[in-house]
Amino acid sequence: LAKTTQPISMDSYEGQEVNITCSHNNIATNDYITWYQQFPSQGPRFIIQGYKTKVTNEVASLFIPADRKSSTLSLPRVSLSDTAVYYCLVDPGNTPLVFGKGTRLSVIA
Amino acid sequence: DAGVTQSPTHLIKTRGQQVTLRCSPKSGHDTVSWYQQALGQGPQFIFQYYEEEERQRGNFPDRFSGHQFPNYSSELNVNALLLGDSALYLCASNEDRKDNYGYTFGSGTRLTVV
Repeated sequence: LAKTTQPISMDSYEGQEVNITCSHNNIATNDYITWYQQFPSQGPRFIIQGYKTKVTNEVASLFIPADRKSSTLSLPRVSLSDTAVYYCLVDPGNTPLVFGKGTRLSVIA
Repeated sequence: DAGVTQSPTHLIKTRGQQVTLRCSPKSGHDTVSWYQQALGQGPQFIFQYYEEEERQRGNFPDRFSGHQFPNYSSELNVNALLLGDSALYLCASNEDRKDNYGYTFGSGTRLTVV
C-alpha cells in the first residue's frame, strides 16, 4: 500500500505557481521523499528528491517541514506541457517503488 | 545514451494466450523492475530482477513470470491471459538501488486482451 496521500486532481492556469501537497504521516527515519511526473502513455520520470528542508532544481522545488509528515512540490510558472500526473513516494531507497494514484494536474490556457 | 527500451509498444492478445514483453535497461544499470499500470491507476510493482534472479515480488499470481539475461535485459511473461491483464506494462532499471532517483522508466508496452 502507498504510504502517501495527495489530492486526486488540481487545475491551474498557465503562468501560475502550482503547489501539490503530499501527506506521509508514517514516514520512517530513513525514508526519502521522491516525486515523479508521468505523461499519458509514458513511464514516470523522476522530478526531485529530498530528505528535509528545501531542495530545488531546474524543474521544481520541494519543501519538507521539520516533522517530515508532509511535503510540497512547487512548480513555478506552469505551462500546458506540465499537464501530467504527479506521484509522491516515500521509501528508504532499498525497496521497490510503491505508487499511489497520484495527482492529475491540468494546466489551462 | 539510450534510456530504457521496451518492445513491443502495443500488443493485442486473446484471452487464454501467453505474452512475452521485453526490456533493455539503461546503460550502466543492472537491476530491472516491472510494473503494471491499469487505466487511471498508479503503477503496481510486479517483480524485480538482479543478477538474473527474482529478488522481490509484488502481489501478482504465478501467471506472471520473468527472466533476466546476462546482459541485464529482461522479459516479462504472462500466461493464460485474462481480460483484466489489459494494462500498460512498464519496465524500470537502476543501478542496484543506490538511489531512489536512479530509477529510469521505459515508455511501456500497452497490452490489450480481448
